Amino acid sequence: AQKITQTQPGMFVQEKEAVTLDCTYDTSDQSYGLFWYKQPSSGEMIFLIYQGSYDEQNATEGRYSLNFQKARKSANLVISASQLGDSAMYFCAMREGYTGRRALTFGSGTRLQVQP
Amino acid sequence: NAGVTQTPKFRVLKTGQSMTLLCAQDMNHEYMYWYRQDPGMGLRLIHYSVGEGTTAKGEVPDGYNVSRLKKQNFLLGLESAAPSQTSVYFCASSYLRQLVNSPLHFGNGTRLTVT
Repeated sequence: AQKITQTQPGMFVQEKEAVTLDCTYDTSDQSYGLFWYKQPSSGEMIFLIYQGSYDEQNATEGRYSLNFQKARKSANLVISASQLGDSAMYFCAMREGYTGRRALTFGSGTRLQVQP
Repeated sequence: NAGVTQTPKFRVLKTGQSMTLLCAQDMNHEYMYWYRQDPGMGLRLIHYSVGEGTTAKGEVPDGYNVSRLKKQNFLLGLESAAPSQTSVYFCASSYLRQLVNSPLHFGNGTRLTVT
């Protein structure tokens, strides 16, 4: 079974609007971490935001927030006030606390295109 | 502050040739990883290391070998390259302490083409 599922291969959003990128995960661990990375066309992987399984509040970092719904096992990334520079691939990833290989497992990604 | 440095950035190999990808980090991280990225498949873990002198297999280890003789370096080797190994390879590192919430720091990738 896939541990991280991103069901949106591509998304379009108008500049200055908000967009939600979906991510669902599968784990039996109680302790785990969820991460989002951005990969612009230049290819580097940029860490955006982190959410711990025990965190009661949704994580926020500037224009990025993580909508964490533990019971649904979802960790959606919300980008507010989209900018042209937000056009990129976005990857959701998880590290499991006990059963994982101490590595991150990645989803297949969502390509976001911001239109002027 | 260099972070994670990968060399080379690009390489073209013929089937059957060998090569070594180099990864160096200056953040004193205990953990290091090699991933490959293929279109539509995200990043998949090849091998990883939890410390100097130790390595372990990831999700797609076949056809690759690794070594971590020094804490700051993690080498990925292809002994006999195959076209299926055409990919973008990323090295990453992270802290051991509070590992669950420690993000991976990535190098800029190596684009490898095997003809």
